Amino acid sequence: DQQVKQNSPSLSVQEGRISILNCDYTNSMFDYFLWYKKYPAEGPTFLISISSIKDKNEDGRFTVFLNKSAKHLSLHIVPSQPGDSAVYFCAAKLLYGQNFVFGPGTRLSVLP
Amino acid sequence: DADVTQTPRNRITKTGKRIMLECSQTKGHDRMYWYRQDPGLGLRLIYYSFDVKDINKGEISDGYSVSRQAQAKFSLSLESAIPNQTALYFCATATGGANQETQYFGPGTRLLVL
Repeated sequence: DQQVKQNSPSLSVQEGRISILNCDYTNSMFDYFLWYKKYPAEGPTFLISISSIKDKNEDGRFTVFLNKSAKHLSLHIVPSQPGDSAVYFCAAKLLYGQNFVFGPGTRLSVLP
Repeated sequence: DADVTQTPRNRITKTGKRIMLECSQTKGHDRMYWYRQDPGLGLRLIYYSFDVKDINKGEISDGYSVSRQAQAKFSLSLESAIPNQTALYFCATATGGANQETQYFGPGTRLLVL
């Protein structure tokens, strides 16, 4: 059973609008979360992270929100650009844990 | 030049063959990882190493072995390849302490086992 879920395999958004990618997790002991972006024929690249002591972290157009009670996090991209079209992975880690657990990914398409 | 490199980028092999995937890094990180990606399953951890003398099994280590030849090199071997090992394989390095760790991935090796 997957501990980190991304229930939307794909998402299409118009350029300039907001993209919201969602991630749910089952283990309440997860303490640190990251988002990665992956283009075809490339490895995933780090996008943004959030620790459980925060409920929001912002970096330019990217904001991650964490709702610990709901075991849910989301990535907001505003405004969306065609270059944001990629697969986005959510990953989670236990405090002092050794490894990350990855979700299955959501493919975002930003339409011009 | 890329910080994390993987060779080969693509490989086709036959069932029962032994193959090795190689990973090199110039980032100077102690921690290195091997993952595989399958459609709908995300990235799953095969093996990881926190230094040259430290090797650990991940979630799906059966059928695989690894070698950490140096801080910069971490190789993944399939002792006797089988078709369900067809996947995209990623090497990664990591730095940072608890709740600050970031992983850096190589470009991936696409493996097809016939």
